[in-house]
Amino acid sequence: GIQVEQSPPDLILQEGANSTLRCNFSDSVNNLQWFHQNPWGQLINLFYIPSGTKQNGRLSATTVATERYSLLYISSSQTTDSGVYFCAVAAYFNYGGSQGNLIFGKGTKLSVKP
Amino acid sequence: DARVTQTPRDKVTEMGQEVTMRCQPILGHNTVFWYRQTMKQGLELLAYFRNRAPLDDSGMPKDRFSAEMPDATLATLKIQPSEPRDSAVYFCASGRGETQYFGPGTRLLVL
Repeated sequence: GIQVEQSPPDLILQEGANSTLRCNFSDSVNNLQWFHQNPWGQLINLFYIPSGTKQNGRLSATTVATERYSLLYISSSQTTDSGVYFCAVAAYFNYGGSQGNLIFGKGTKLSVKP
Repeated sequence: DARVTQTPRDKVTEMGQEVTMRCQPILGHNTVFWYRQTMKQGLELLAYFRNRAPLDDSGMPKDRFSAEMPDATLATLKIQPSEPRDSAVYFCASGRGETQYFGPGTRLLVL
């Protein structure tokens, strides 16, 4: 099956710093999502981005499908950005949509210090 | 603000007991997923439904786990009998289209 590798595994930042998280995947995908799991355990969908670039406030993501990687950028980090960031991919098209068996990476644990 | 709801939020039980977890997907979503999260294995897909039909449950131990959707507003995950290794956080997610929305999870501890 598809392998998903995220780097770095851990990241400590000072508030206000910028960061880049990387996700490499081993095969072609038609679904790639980034999630944030906050310190209370809640998983929040950040981006659906199987290709191209998207931005949402201080967060942006780019996926280069032909080279099998995706990047998540966090600018001007805040303490509320702390948590674990997961990349998840799927290469399975279901009838009527692109939902499929998302395979999650191990995540990048981000700690933003005040 | 539509959300996926899960009950119970926490469950402590003894080995051998039956555990039932419930999920109410967001109204109008046609896909439902059950995931398990542990420190060792991370997030793993257990089962996946589309329009209430099970599409994939290959990630689920068949001898003790079962997942059903008796109607469009309820998904259940049962473990019988439970074992200490089942201790984990179980997430339900629902979606329509590309994005999955996760519930708050059920934290299960089997003693």
